[in-house]
Amino acid sequence: GESVGLHLPTLSVQEGDNSIINCAYSNSASDYFIWYKQESGKGPQFIIDIRSNMDKRQGQRVTVLLNKTVKHLSLQIAATQPGDSAVYFCAENTGRRALTFGSGTRLQVQP
Amino acid sequence: DVKVTQSSRYLVKRTGEKVFLECVQDMDHENMFWYRQDPGLGLRLIYFSYDVKMKEKGDIPEGYSVSREKKERFSLILESASTNQTSMYLCASSESTGTGTTQYFGPGTRLLVL
Repeated sequence: GESVGLHLPTLSVQEGDNSIINCAYSNSASDYFIWYKQESGKGPQFIIDIRSNMDKRQGQRVTVLLNKTVKHLSLQIAATQPGDSAVYFCAENTGRRALTFGSGTRLQVQP
Repeated sequence: DVKVTQSSRYLVKRTGEKVFLECVQDMDHENMFWYRQDPGLGLRLIYFSYDVKMKEKGDIPEGYSVSREKKERFSLILESASTNQTSMYLCASSESTGTGTTQYFGPGTRLLVL
């Protein structure tokens, strides 16, 4: 929600451009990663996931890239739309049933 | 579609009150979770449950307890609410296929403790 965004890095893009949101993770043993989107006043919504045996996975207008060497995850959104404006979180599975979440990035799409 | 519902969107309580937050999921998921979300701190795990009547502490369990009497319902209890428990509370559920399963979230409950 809105209160999440007070200390978040912000990415501002023009409508129609591609967006790239980055995430660094800490645990080299993590084997599963998820990207979530959170719109103001709502709970996080699943976007796409990837397992550690993959480098890339594509969905509808979204692509997740995983670089295990540098422990880096990115979310690419093609042809960004105003409805994509939200806070985006990466999450990693660190060996237990619960996930560990990143602090999030706010995406602002300018018309 | 997975649906996770939370009993209230907004709650206002006074210091010292006992507070119940209810969460229900309709997908027969084994695992259920309670998080709180605060500015600059992201989502932090309070408790989770991997079966009926089973519970496990998360990263910040102090001041909270949970109850899982039925598979579809997971309750978060603040025994004596304090102002530092003012936060957004998020419930989630996932299937039990070991590690690496997607969690689905409810809409959240924004709690204000006065």
